[in-house]
Amino acid sequence: GQQVMQIPQYQHVQEGEDFTTYCNSSTTLSNIQWYKQRPGGHPVFLIQLVKSGEVKKQKRLTFQFGEAKKNSSLHITATQTTDVGTYFCAAYSSASKIIFGSGTRLSIRP
Amino acid sequence: EAGVAQSPRYKIIEKRQSVAFWCNPISGHATLYWYQQILGQGPKLLIQFQNNGVVDDSQLPKDRFSAERLKGVDSTLKIQPAKLEDSAVYLCASSLGRGSRSGANVLTFGAGSRLTVL
Repeated sequence: GQQVMQIPQYQHVQEGEDFTTYCNSSTTLSNIQWYKQRPGGHPVFLIQLVKSGEVKKQKRLTFQFGEAKKNSSLHITATQTTDVGTYFCAAYSSASKIIFGSGTRLSIRP
Repeated sequence: EAGVAQSPRYKIIEKRQSVAFWCNPISGHATLYWYQQILGQGPKLLIQFQNNGVVDDSQLPKDRFSAERLKGVDSTLKIQPAKLEDSAVYLCASSLGRGSRSGANVLTFGAGSRLTVL
């Protein structure tokens, strides 16, 4: 079945450093979503990418969808302590299923 | 807009006992999902409903798990009998689920029900 791989599993950065997480699918995706889960919380929707090569920005967060619609990335510039949490990509397949990646847990040294 | 409601928030049971979780999605959301999230892992889809019909239950352990959404609104997920490996957070989510409109398949999650099986 469809798989969504996410790397790295963990990232520990100094506050102010950049952070990137990558998501790769074994199949072409209809669209991809990104969610953030704070420690002890539930996933909260961040953004959805639909078009091949699409790039979207939300303040310090930059989201990209690959040209082949099989991979995506989330980049955070100049991390802050409020960015702590686990970032999940979620792939929406043609079968109307939403499959979550394993997540990248971001921790930050103040 | 009220969010996705789930109960109970926490449940501790012994193995072989049964447990039921309840979810009330956002009003007007046609699609309802139950995910299992084991500590340190991503949410794993157990079952997906479109109104009161099942869209996907391929990863639901049907020998012990059951779910229903009888009137196309709220839903219950039951585990009977529970095993130690069922310890997890059970997340309910909903989405508009109608066609390809932008945002139609964006998930809104409830706070989750944390199950501990001893």
